[in-house]
Amino acid sequence: DTGVSQDPRHKITKRGQNVTFRCDPISEHNRLYWYRQTLGQGPEFLTYFQNEAQLEKSRLLSDRFSAERPKGSFSTLEIQRTEQGDSAMYLCASSLAINEQFFGPGTRLTVL
Amino acid sequence: DAKTTQPPSMDCAEGRAANLPCNHSTISGNEYVYWYRQIHSQGPQYIIHGLKNNETNEMASLIITEDRKSSTLILPHATLRDTAVYYCIVRDPTGTASKLTFGTGTRLQVTL
Repeated sequence: DTGVSQDPRHKITKRGQNVTFRCDPISEHNRLYWYRQTLGQGPEFLTYFQNEAQLEKSRLLSDRFSAERPKGSFSTLEIQRTEQGDSAMYLCASSLAINEQFFGPGTRLTVL
Repeated sequence: DAKTTQPPSMDCAEGRAANLPCNHSTISGNEYVYWYRQIHSQGPQYIIHGLKNNETNEMASLIITEDRKSSTLILPHATLRDTAVYYCIVRDPTGTASKLTFGTGTRLQVTL
């Protein structure tokens, strides 16, 4: 399967813990995006990278959130000091330049 | 990016055509119309996009009105596997903002 992959698929954590998610984009896709989706809502943009450069961040991305794409390939999204409001599906997508975005299956986070 | 308006839900009998409308009256000249769908517990899936001409691919057809203020996604022979939330998004792919702005979409239920 050469699609976007995300790991883990599910994560349960206690409030106050740190979590890290990984996204592996489609090979040769230079753009990588993170979105968050809560129940009943469409995905909301968090941030995007072009190669290793983080070019845009949403106001949703508080200072507890940090994303990296160190070598312009895979990306990680870390949430520090998780809160119950962080419970959501975290989606990663990739694209080749301005072309359509392809999404991964998502990581479902539950904060107890 | 311009906002879109979609009906919250629609039903369609299996084997019949599903016609999903979308209003985007404030669309600008550089913005394309994109359609994605999201099957339960999966990431969004790209379907089709267009600027002003009608488009067709192996999944669907996209009909855009001459004034570009509305469009219709057509699934010619809906199956149970087409049950999903369908999102209509308008976006300028060449703009500095690469994100997709999702609304709440149309929940299509295909029935026997």
